[in-house]
Amino acid sequence: AQSVTQPDIHITVSEGASLELRCNYSYGATPYLFWYVQSPGQGLQLLLKYFSGDTLVQGIKGFEAEFKRSQSSFNLRKPSVHWSDAAEYFCAVGRKNYGGSQGNLIFGKGTKLSVKP
Amino acid sequence: NAGVTQTPKFQVLKTGQSMTLQCAQDMNHNSMYWYRQDPGMGLRLIYYSASEGTTDKGEVPNGYNVSRLNKREFSLRLESAAPSQTSVYFCASSAQYMGNTEAFFGQGTRLTVV
Repeated sequence: AQSVTQPDIHITVSEGASLELRCNYSYGATPYLFWYVQSPGQGLQLLLKYFSGDTLVQGIKGFEAEFKRSQSSFNLRKPSVHWSDAAEYFCAVGRKNYGGSQGNLIFGKGTKLSVKP
Repeated sequence: NAGVTQTPKFQVLKTGQSMTLQCAQDMNHNSMYWYRQDPGMGLRLIYYSASEGTTDKGEVPNGYNVSRLNKREFSLRLESAAPSQTSVYFCASSAQYMGNTEAFFGQGTRLTVV
């Protein structure tokens, strides 16, 4: 079955430091890949997505992610973290086929980011 | 733009009570979803509606029913609430039922069953 793994449950970084959030997926073909962010008390918002082409994709709020097929990874990065980036981040795989109890988006369990002043 | 609107935002129920969570989207999307979010469990799909007139079970459908009232509205009903249904519920919508389509989420309903 398809799955998404985010190995880090909680990460703390200092404001201004760089950030990398890890995401690994299991899928039988080249997947559609997403990163969503959830600010406290809010719903999820799309940060960026990868469908094909350039493996380095840019998103909103200064985030980027790199698709590495050989490693089945889609890690999220930001060169300099701001206090407002404190949130929970979800990686997701989009299925190319229809149906199934997992739905068309398979989410990882999330990584909570805390930012130290 | 309102996007996806969920009501209510907070609710406390007693065990055995029933309630309906409402969701409406104004983006003319075909597909709508209900998720629950629990600590350490991520988002789990309860039910989805790939298009108006269709609904399908997700990963955790037991204890829930849904109605796709029209293209805009997708409600989630708890017939007899149980403490295990204490959770944050999110409604989402997307233009089509494809894995390459962005999903838009409501702000959530925080439900406590005592």
